[in-house]
This record gives sequence, structure tokens and C-alpha cells, in this order.
Amino acid sequence: DSGVTQTPKHLITATGQRVTLRCSPRSGDLSVYWYQQSLDQGLQFLIQYYNGEERAKGNILERFSAQQFPDLHSELNLSSLELGDSALYFCASSVAYRNNEQFFGPGTRLTVL
Amino acid sequence: AQKVTQAQTEISVVEKEDVTLDCVYETRDTTYYLFWYKQPPSGELVFLIRRNSFDEQNEISGRYSWNFQKSTSSFNFTITASQVVDSAVYFCALSELQGGSEKLVFGKGTKLTVNP
Repeated sequence: DSGVTQTPKHLITATGQRVTLRCSPRSGDLSVYWYQQSLDQGLQFLIQYYNGEERAKGNILERFSAQQFPDLHSELNLSSLELGDSALYFCASSVAYRNNEQFFGPGTRLTVL
Repeated sequence: AQKVTQAQTEISVVEKEDVTLDCVYETRDTTYYLFWYKQPPSGELVFLIRRNSFDEQNEISGRYSWNFQKSTSSFNFTITASQVVDSAVYFCALSELQGGSEKLVFGKGTKLTVNP
């Protein structure tokens, strides 16, 4: 158990819908990262927050957004969902915004029908 | 841009065999970190090791060992006396600095199957 929690574990929804994925980092970690794992793209970095502020952005679609709240939990919002958004979404946390191990949560499996 | 190549898509071995998973990386950074993660069938990503680019010493942890060779840009992972529980997808990753922050660039992964 990495100490990073993600909810829900599974999510099934329809095209065009909007969903919110939630992540709670390990106690003491200020940085949260979101990654997407799909069959064709592999594991890809989406976005990083550190202590409430966005620090780095990767291949995140405009339909996706994220935020980190004062209690340090983070949410990833996916809207206007398409079939291709079906993937495993991981959250990771680390103490700082660089030079640290990133510990991953169990992931949220999103299925868009 | 950073790139990580895991040329072995799938490897199948029999229990107790030794197996080496290859990882080759490309980076222009002078300081970087290399990682290995394990993804068992249950799906979670388990951190195995982080190695600083300035530390080329090999590392051993139980049945696991890592060989970092900067000259060939490789960071290979060996499992000695493999066990069925080692069956998983293994990912090699490289840190990439972006605007003072850091993200991980992953290889495509190597699926290891250890048969009894």
C-alpha cells in the first residue's frame, strides 16, 4: 500500500458525459501528479500540482482539467468524454516537486461506452 | 525530448531462471533520475528503485539487481531465481525536468511471465 488513495476504483460512463476522479496523496506529500495509461499511448504524464499550484503540464487534453485543494487532495475532471478516453488514470504523490520518488495510487479505471 | 525504450515487449521464463529486463534511455539533461516500477495483474504501480545519474554503482536488493551504465545509456534490471509472483509488467522511467518541476517519462513496459 503506497498510502495514495484514489476513488472511485472503477467508473463506467457514456460518451459526452463528465466525470471527476479523486486523489488523496500520502501524508506529508505536497505534490500530486496525474498519469493516464492506455493501450495505445502507454503511461503518459498529464499534469502536476504542488501545494495547490499547477507546476507542470503534459499531454493533457483541453477537455480535461485538474485542481489541488487546500487539504492537498486533487481532482481530475474529464468532460465531453470520448471512447478513446477509456484508460487507467493514476495519481502519484511526492514530498516535493522534483528529485523525489513518486508513489502511485491504485488507479481509477474509466470505461466510456 | 526524453525517451525510454524497453525493446522486450514480453518475456516468458520458467521459475528459478534469471531474467534481465533491458532499458535504454535518451536525455539531454546532465542530472536525471531513472526508475523502475512493477505493475502486477492487480494494476497498481509499485515503486522499485530510483537511481541518480551521478551514481553508477550497481544496486542489489534481495533477488533484484540493477545495472546502470551511463556510457550506453542503459539501466537494466535483473531478477535472480525468478518466482511466479514476479509475473508483472515492468516499467522503466526517466525523470524529465519541465519548468523547474519534474515528470516521469515511461517506457512501454516489459511483460514478464514466470511459469511454474
